[in-house]
Amino acid sequence: AQRVTQPEKLLSVFKGAPVELKCNYSYSGSPELFWYVQYSRQRLQLLLRHISRESIKGFTADLNKGETSFHLKKPFAQEEDSAMYYCAPKIFSGGYNKLIFGAGTRLAVHP
Amino acid sequence: NAGVMQNPRHLVRRRGQEARLRCSPMKGHSHVYWYRQLPEEGLKFMVYLQKENIIDESGMPKERFSAEFPKEGPSILRIQQVVRGDSAAYFCASSPPDRGGETQYFGPGTRLLVL
Repeated sequence: AQRVTQPEKLLSVFKGAPVELKCNYSYSGSPELFWYVQYSRQRLQLLLRHISRESIKGFTADLNKGETSFHLKKPFAQEEDSAMYYCAPKIFSGGYNKLIFGAGTRLAVHP
Repeated sequence: NAGVMQNPRHLVRRRGQEARLRCSPMKGHSHVYWYRQLPEEGLKFMVYLQKENIIDESGMPKERFSAEFPKEGPSILRIQQVVRGDSAAYFCASSPPDRGGETQYFGPGTRLLVL
């Protein structure tokens, strides 16, 4: 079955610690992948996309086609990184491109 | 550009009543998506609409739920005869017509509470 998996519902770290939010997908072909973030009391917004190979707010994500993973990483977590993070592959289904959101991982960064 | 607007932000209904949720996409966007987020769960796709057309409603419950995106005015998600299990946050997103849905801009959501 085609799916996207974020195995951790909650990831709790201390400020300054490294962070890795896991995402695995099982879609055929080479889907484009995105990370969306939702800060407290704010709307969901795009954080980064794998094709741009950019670093946003210190976060990076590398697409590993062999492992079918797109883990989100940051070397030193900050308290303001506390939020809900969603991994989202874009797949072609039903005649159009659609985003499929994972269940999300809540990142809590403690002082 | 005011971004995607949703109203109301909070809606309280008693069992059996109807809930109407509105979504105004960003200016120039003709694609609208609705998602539901149950407590402690992730986003679940419900329906994808373009102006006057339902493109994909595979995530919509078969009964009581309907959606429309008329030529003029906001997109409406309608829930008839609400039950407690409908309590959730409902998010709308929009995208421009030529981007294939890859970048979706989200509204603040409507939090529905069914008593």
